[in-house]
Amino acid sequence: QKEVEQNSGPLSVPEGAIASLNCTYSDRGSQSFFWYRQYSGKSPELIMFIYSNGDKEDGRFTAQLNKASQYVSLLIRDSQPSDSATYLCAPHASGGSYIPTFGRGTSLIVHP
Amino acid sequence: DVKVTQSSRYLVKRTGEKVFLECVQDMDHENMFWYRQDPGLGLRLIYFSYDVKMKEKGDIPEGYSVSREKKERFSLILESASTNQTSMYLCASRRVDTGELFFGEGSRLTVL
Repeated sequence: QKEVEQNSGPLSVPEGAIASLNCTYSDRGSQSFFWYRQYSGKSPELIMFIYSNGDKEDGRFTAQLNKASQYVSLLIRDSQPSDSATYLCAPHASGGSYIPTFGRGTSLIVHP
Repeated sequence: DVKVTQSSRYLVKRTGEKVFLECVQDMDHENMFWYRQDPGLGLRLIYFSYDVKMKEKGDIPEGYSVSREKKERFSLILESASTNQTSMYLCASRRVDTGELFFGEGSRLTVL
C-alpha cells in the first residue's frame, strides 16, 4: 500500500512570507512527483512536477525532492492571498498502469 | 484546451435511488479515474479504467460500479444510493506519457 503523508494544516502565513509544504512517501518505486493546487469548491490542478533530486523552480514556486529521504516539498515565495488553497502531493512512476495516489493535502492560508 | 466534463455539478437524490455520474474527456486518454473527496479524508480512489471495456477496483469500490463503453466516457453508478455516499465526486483522465491528471469540475452529490 502506497502511503503519502502530508500535514493537513491549516498552515497560516502572512502575505509576502515563504510557505513551506511538505510530503513524505513510502513507495521507493515512485520516480517523480506532482503538486496539485485545489481552491475551495474547485477541482485540483497541476502546478509543479519534479522527477529528479534537487530543486525545480517555476516563478514563485520551488519543488524540492530528496529520494533517499523519501521527501518532497513545495516552497512558495512571496506568498499571496490568492495562494490560499489546499496543496496535494502525488507520487508517480512511469507506465500507464501506475495507480495515482494522493496525500490528504495541506491547507494553506495566506493572510494580508 | 483540454477538457474533462462531468455531467452534473450538483445532484440531490433519495436513499435507494440509482445514480449515474457521467464523465467525458476530449484528450483521447486511455486512463480514467473516479475519486470521492470528503473533508479530512482527501481523495480516495473508487474505480479506474486503463482502456475501453476495462475497469479496476480502487480503494473504496463498495456500493459503486462503473462503465467504460467508449474511450472518452467513464460513468460511475450508484446502484442504490445511501446517505454515506453524500460526497464530492471527481473524475480524472491521465496523460500516460507524463502522468498528469486532468480533473473534471466535480459532482457534489447529496443523498437524503
